[in-house]
Amino acid sequence: RKEVEQDPGPFNVPEGATVAFNCTYSNSASQSFFWYRQDCRKEPKLLMSVYSSGNEDGRFTAQLNRASQYISLLIRDSKLSDSATYLCVVTGSYNKLIFGAGTRLAVHP
Amino acid sequence: NAGVTQTPKFQVLKTGQSMTLQCAQDMNHEYMSWYRQDPGMGLRLIHYSVGAGITDQGEVPNGYNVSRSTTEDFPLRLLSAAPSQTSVYFCASSPGTMNTGELFFGEGSRLTVL
Repeated sequence: RKEVEQDPGPFNVPEGATVAFNCTYSNSASQSFFWYRQDCRKEPKLLMSVYSSGNEDGRFTAQLNRASQYISLLIRDSKLSDSATYLCVVTGSYNKLIFGAGTRLAVHP
Repeated sequence: NAGVTQTPKFQVLKTGQSMTLQCAQDMNHEYMSWYRQDPGMGLRLIHYSVGAGITDQGEVPNGYNVSRSTTEDFPLRLLSAAPSQTSVYFCASSPGTMNTGELFFGEGSRLTVL
């Protein structure tokens, strides 16, 4: 079983739609959680951290469920520019970052 | 501000050849790391360093060497390239001595081993 699992997608949604991605992790001792965004053939960039109480950054909302060991990312009012791969990242042993394989989002007009 | 700079961006090698991927950062970050990214898999940690003179192995270190003689530079050496090392390689740095979750990545180096 992978340490971090994501639905690879692609999620094909129209502009203005709301879309949600889930990510599950296997290490119950993981302490920190993040979402990164990676555009096609580019480097990953930090999108947002995920806090226990949930947090928002504009159109993006991240949630953490420690009991079920999953993290979610909700994108409201999708834009064409949101098309990318979203990487779920959790801390593993010795605080190293463990990356999921990513969920691809394609927003169409 | 250049951030993290990787060279070369593209490289084709023959099996058995050696080469060095260069990585430099100008943000005075203590933590630097190398990842590889393969289709259908998450980024996997190859080697990392928490400061000049200190390196350690990550998840997939076999076939790779690193050194950290300065804060700025963290080269990755492939000793004897194999087709299994065909991948996209990313160098990343982070402020502080521990990995806090915010990694700054270089643009990547695409390596093909024939």
